[in-house]
Amino acid sequence: GEDVEQSLFLSVREGDSSVINCTYTDSSSTYLYWYKQEPGAGLQLLTYIFSNMDMKQDQRLTVLLNKKDKHLSLRIADTQTGDSAIYFCAESPSNYQLIWGAGTKLIIKP
Amino acid sequence: DTAVSQTPKYLVTQMGNDKSIKCEQNLGHDTMYWYKQDSKKFLKIMFSYNNKELIINETVPNRFSPKSPDKAHLNLHINSLELGDSAVYFCASSLRMTGPAYNEQFFGPGTRLTVL
Repeated sequence: GEDVEQSLFLSVREGDSSVINCTYTDSSSTYLYWYKQEPGAGLQLLTYIFSNMDMKQDQRLTVLLNKKDKHLSLRIADTQTGDSAIYFCAESPSNYQLIWGAGTKLIIKP
Repeated sequence: DTAVSQTPKYLVTQMGNDKSIKCEQNLGHDTMYWYKQDSKKFLKIMFSYNNKELIINETVPNRFSPKSPDKAHLNLHINSLELGDSAVYFCASSLRMTGPAYNEQFFGPGTRLTVL
């Protein structure tokens, strides 16, 4: 069946890199997404990757995709307090809905 | 200029009552969604409408009835509210139906429903 898995919490020190991992099951997903949810707000698209890419970089964000293992990761360099949020991974199989992970809460320690 | 708006932001009500949550998007999108996010932050799709037509209707109690009067609006009516309905409900929209093509979903700010 379809399933997207993420660990629920990640704690990092301010200034370090954060790496949030995600595994998915549907190899037909052509796009994979990372959404960010700040406290008390809705989700916002943070970045995405097309399935024929294995890496995408956007300023402090790096997305790595391993299609063979169906593993997606989001690296945030130089993590700041403003990065505190819940990060959702989502895959897009062809059944008209996104399949969402449970979200990883990123906690920043001073 | 708010892209996806929901009202009310907070809703506190007694068990057994009927309530509605309204959603409007001014992005010109064809597809709208209702999600439920529980206290553990799990996000579950409830309904999806494309051009006012119901596309996805996940296993939700039939006490929940979506209504789409036009492409820009998708309202959620809930009858006979129960304690377990307490959650944050998010409306979202996208240019087209979710599928293999790139398709960003834009979320509203959420409606926190508390059933006492």
